[in-house]
Amino acid sequence: EIVLTQSPGTLSLSPGERATLSCRASQSISSSYLAWYQQKPGQAPRLLIYGASSRASGIPDRFSGSGSGTDFTLTISRLEPEDFAVYYCQQYGSSPLTFGGGTKVEIK
Amino acid sequence: EVQLVESGGGLEKPGGSLRLSCAASGFTFSNAWMSWVRQAPGKGLEWVGRIKSKTDGGTTDYAAPVKGRFSISRDDSKNTLYLHMNSLKTEDTAVYFCTTPVPAALWGQGTLVTVSS
Repeated sequence: EIVLTQSPGTLSLSPGERATLSCRASQSISSSYLAWYQQKPGQAPRLLIYGASSRASGIPDRFSGSGSGTDFTLTISRLEPEDFAVYYCQQYGSSPLTFGGGTKVEIK
Repeated sequence: EVQLVESGGGLEKPGGSLRLSCAASGFTFSNAWMSWVRQAPGKGLEWVGRIKSKTDGGTTDYAAPVKGRFSISRDDSKNTLYLHMNSLKTEDTAVYFCTTPVPAALWGQGTLVTVSS
């Protein structure tokens, strides 16, 4: 099973600042089958990034993903008020599919 | 409208059984690999299992905590996915979501399962 470790656990930032979230895998993820989701309280997760760096439909270009192998990053270039939420990475390259523990981006 | 709607959640005693349903609409359900994901109260996301499309073999995979207790099935004639949960434990308490794979990554609104005596 591929274990995903997200850091930091919580990121305290102000609107307009840059957010950098990390996701590290216990073994290499095949074909960069790594996705990022955003979740707000009481809502289902929303896909932001798939294939490590491809933005999902309708996702603003302030969200970007990068990385390969075992190290992946989600960057939010300038935080908007609606971006404060919990972010999860997921690998879907091998079964069992697994999620990271999440990073909460909170308003400083 | 493209959507997934889960139902069947509720309160069940430890050792009991429940069947969740996920009704799909607005896309070709029979071609879709479908997954169940759960989220315990205040916790992160946990993949439960998936079922491939019949054209891809219709096979299932499960996460270790539910293997042997839960099973996933599908009725393509009804555009419906099922999660059969047996030998329920208190740690199965969670909101259960059905989802489609990336890049569509459609999610339902979830249904709450509470396992408690």
